Amino acid sequence: DGGITQSPKYLFRKEGQNVTLSCEQNLNHDAMYWYRQDPGQGLRLIYYSQIVNDFQKGDIAEGYSVSREKKESFPLTVTSAQKNPTAFYLCASSIDPGVAGGYTFGSGTRLTVV
Amino acid sequence: DAKTTQPPSMDCAEGRAANLPCNHSTISGNEYVYWYRQIHSQGPQYIIHGLKNNETNEMASLIITEDRKSSTLILPHATLRDTAVYYCIVRVNTNAGKSTFGDGTTLTVKP
Repeated sequence: DGGITQSPKYLFRKEGQNVTLSCEQNLNHDAMYWYRQDPGQGLRLIYYSQIVNDFQKGDIAEGYSVSREKKESFPLTVTSAQKNPTAFYLCASSIDPGVAGGYTFGSGTRLTVV
Repeated sequence: DAKTTQPPSMDCAEGRAANLPCNHSTISGNEYVYWYRQIHSQGPQYIIHGLKNNETNEMASLIITEDRKSSTLILPHATLRDTAVYYCIVRVNTNAGKSTFGDGTTLTVKP
């Protein structure tokens, strides 16, 4: 079955360490996105990519980095510069923006920095 | 992209219709209205979307006002499993990357 896989589901890291969250999709979607969700709040856009080798900052990109070397993969690195990295991270994809398609979300990664 | 406004919470009795409102008064002519729901600690799930006309699928109905400034998601016979956070977003299909999800509406279906 096609879908988006985020791994791991839970991740613990020490403060000051960089950590990379994985996101893989086999839906042949062009666009991919990373969102952050804090408890009781909505989703905030971190980065998005509409095509391979290109990505754009979202609303809260500081302290994060991404790459899009393959259509299927859009990893997110949470760097030590991110002041409050503990959160629930969601990856999504969508078909060509020119077509009226919705987002498909992964099941999320819960990152805890101690 | 236009922003949306939703009530923070709503209750509904099991078996009754749940009507969730969304205001998008600054929506542009080429923006679609999308609805998603998120069950605790999972990724949001697509429900339905529309441009101008009312839409219905196996999950819900979407009623969009004639001026397109507001919409209502209708769950015709709510069940306990429909308890979730419901998000209404508007989306320009030529710039899909900047959709903003607000805090949504927490729907609680009660027995």
